[in-house]
Amino acid sequence: NAGVTQTPKFRVLKTGQSMTLLCAQDMNHEYMYWYRQDPGMGLRLIHYSVGEGTTAKGEVPDGYNVSRLKKQNFLLGLESAAPSQTSVYFCASSYFMWVGINEQFFGPGTRLTVL
Amino acid sequence: DAKTTQPNSMESNEEEPVHLPCNHSTISGTDYIHWYRQLPSQGPEYVIHGLTSNVNNRMASLAIAEDRKSSTLILHRATLRDAAVYYCILRDLAYSGAGSYQLTFGKGTKLSVIP
Repeated sequence: NAGVTQTPKFRVLKTGQSMTLLCAQDMNHEYMYWYRQDPGMGLRLIHYSVGEGTTAKGEVPDGYNVSRLKKQNFLLGLESAAPSQTSVYFCASSYFMWVGINEQFFGPGTRLTVL
Repeated sequence: DAKTTQPNSMESNEEEPVHLPCNHSTISGTDYIHWYRQLPSQGPEYVIHGLTSNVNNRMASLAIAEDRKSSTLILHRATLRDAAVYYCILRDLAYSGAGSYQLTFGKGTKLSVIP
């Protein structure tokens, strides 16, 4: 199993450009998440998805859009990139359980710089 | 989710035990204590979890105070590979809605291991 993979690993954008980050998981997880991590900080949740075709806002959703057209993929879009979106982006996935630990599995991250 | 407090950083000599503390004085009765760690330039990974009793797994041990207002992650013999940021996170065990699987990351404790 590859686990959680993210594409691309690095990207440099100019202010106003758009891009899409791709997250893929092969563990058949229902839940998927996008986080961002700024230098010296913990991770903050941007958006998450509880299943195919369903997404919801997290703690810091402004400036981002997401889509989950297939269960194994979760896309994060930046329509008009801003320097404040310079960060490392992590995707994660987990099973759905009514009661349980719900361990989240993380991808290796995408380092995005917006000039 | 209830808030946790961890030291910003700690140091340990290689092959010695490490005790990483976490205070969570406002923990509720149904909050599980999770620990994740983030190795340099990687996504976080699950370490261990517990509710009331002390727990052991292949990675670490978790000691939970009797009043549950604090806990300690124990690495029995620190190796260079254990140098990471360790996050203590509280989350209710039971599913209580689509957002209830969110993990709230603080800044964690940066562990340095000295050869």
